[in-house]
Amino acid sequence: GAGVSQSPSNKVTEKGKDVELRCDPISGHTALYWYRQSLGQGLEFLIYFQGNSAPDKSGLPSDRFSAERTGGSVSTLTIQRTQQEDSAVYLCASSLAFPSGTSGYTDTQYFGPGTRLTVL
Amino acid sequence: AQSVTQLDSHVSVSEGTPVLLRCNYSSSYSPSLFWYVQHPNKGLQLLLKYTSAATLVKGINGFEAEFKKSETSFHLTKPSAHMSDAAEYFCVVSPGNTPLVFGKGTRLSVIA
Repeated sequence: GAGVSQSPSNKVTEKGKDVELRCDPISGHTALYWYRQSLGQGLEFLIYFQGNSAPDKSGLPSDRFSAERTGGSVSTLTIQRTQQEDSAVYLCASSLAFPSGTSGYTDTQYFGPGTRLTVL
Repeated sequence: AQSVTQLDSHVSVSEGTPVLLRCNYSSSYSPSLFWYVQHPNKGLQLLLKYTSAATLVKGINGFEAEFKKSETSFHLTKPSAHMSDAAEYFCVVSPGNTPLVFGKGTRLSVIA
């Protein structure tokens, strides 16, 4: 079947504007993850969803960042009042199972191509 | 705290020669370890993963990695590089019940 898809592939916005990034996970995958990839910073974990709930929001860098997931499928990452330091590639991943107990995050995560966000 | 160190930010090899990408990890628990590859403008693709079974793990495209607990290492190797192997490679640790921790990546260049 289809892999993880993300839209838009590129987004250029002005400082102070809000942006929405979309992720379509692989059908049937219960867990969905958002990461940020900044130049020289590697990948940072932002948030993950188990179904429609987000048990782990520890990686969201500020209250300008929020995410939701509806119907156990599509997720939207929203960044309000964007700043230049928000410029990065935002990656979404999904996995069949969600982290639980000691098995934790061992289930294979499948990544989308990312959304490149540029804040001018 | 869990961490991953990729010892080389850039590795350059000639086509047909061996590839070695080095990774050391730090984890309080018995970790799961992964290698992902990222081609330009593409998402990350899983190469292989170690989850406390055999210490020598074989992955896709001829890559393999060996888990060495005594050295806290998980180096990625391939006997013979192809041009199509040129990409960014990420070593990742999953200590258990916390998010994945990614290394900063190693860019592999393959020279014809």
